Amino acid sequence: AQSVTQPDIHITVSEGASLELRCNYSYGATPYLFWYVQSPGQGLQLLLKYFSGDTLVQGIKGFEAEFKRSQSSFNLRKPSVHWSDAAEYFCAVGKGAAGNKLTFGGGTRVLVKP
Amino acid sequence: DVKVTQSSRYLVKRTGEKVFLECVQDMDHENMFWYRQDPGLGLRLIYFSYDVKMKEKGDIPEGYSVSREKKERFSLILESASTNQTSMYLCASTDLIRPTYEQYFGPGTRLTVT
Repeated sequence: AQSVTQPDIHITVSEGASLELRCNYSYGATPYLFWYVQSPGQGLQLLLKYFSGDTLVQGIKGFEAEFKRSQSSFNLRKPSVHWSDAAEYFCAVGKGAAGNKLTFGGGTRVLVKP
Repeated sequence: DVKVTQSSRYLVKRTGEKVFLECVQDMDHENMFWYRQDPGLGLRLIYFSYDVKMKEKGDIPEGYSVSREKKERFSLILESASTNQTSMYLCASTDLIRPTYEQYFGPGTRLTVT
């Protein structure tokens, strides 16, 4: 069965500093990989996705993620964090038709210090 | 602008009550999903539907059922609510015919069972 691990439950970062969120997955085939963000009181919004090709993918809001098959990882990064990036971030792996059935990690809550 | 709406943001029900959570999407999507979100566990798939009157169990279907009589509407039913079903419930939809692989989420319903 597929699984997703986000080792960091909380991360606190200063505004303007860089951010990296870790994600490790377990899946037998080539995975569909996603990062979603949930701002307070909101539903989830897709930041970026990876299916194949270039292992460095760019997303919205200045985020990028790198797929490393050898490490079964798909870490999310942002070079300079803004206060509006305070949210909860979820990594997910998809299977089934068009990767539709998602398995989510437990989430990482990001706090941004002024 | 794509839209997934859920009938209630907050709901309080008593143990043993029958509970209906409604979700409507206006994007003509084939696939619809129900998740529950719990701290530290991320989102877990309860049920999904890939067409009208079609449904498939997700990872945690016990204690829940679903109904999809119209393409735009997907209902989650708790036949006899229990306190361990206190949670945040999120509905999502995605396009299967013209796949973007993005699931669009509603704002969620926070259900408390007392």
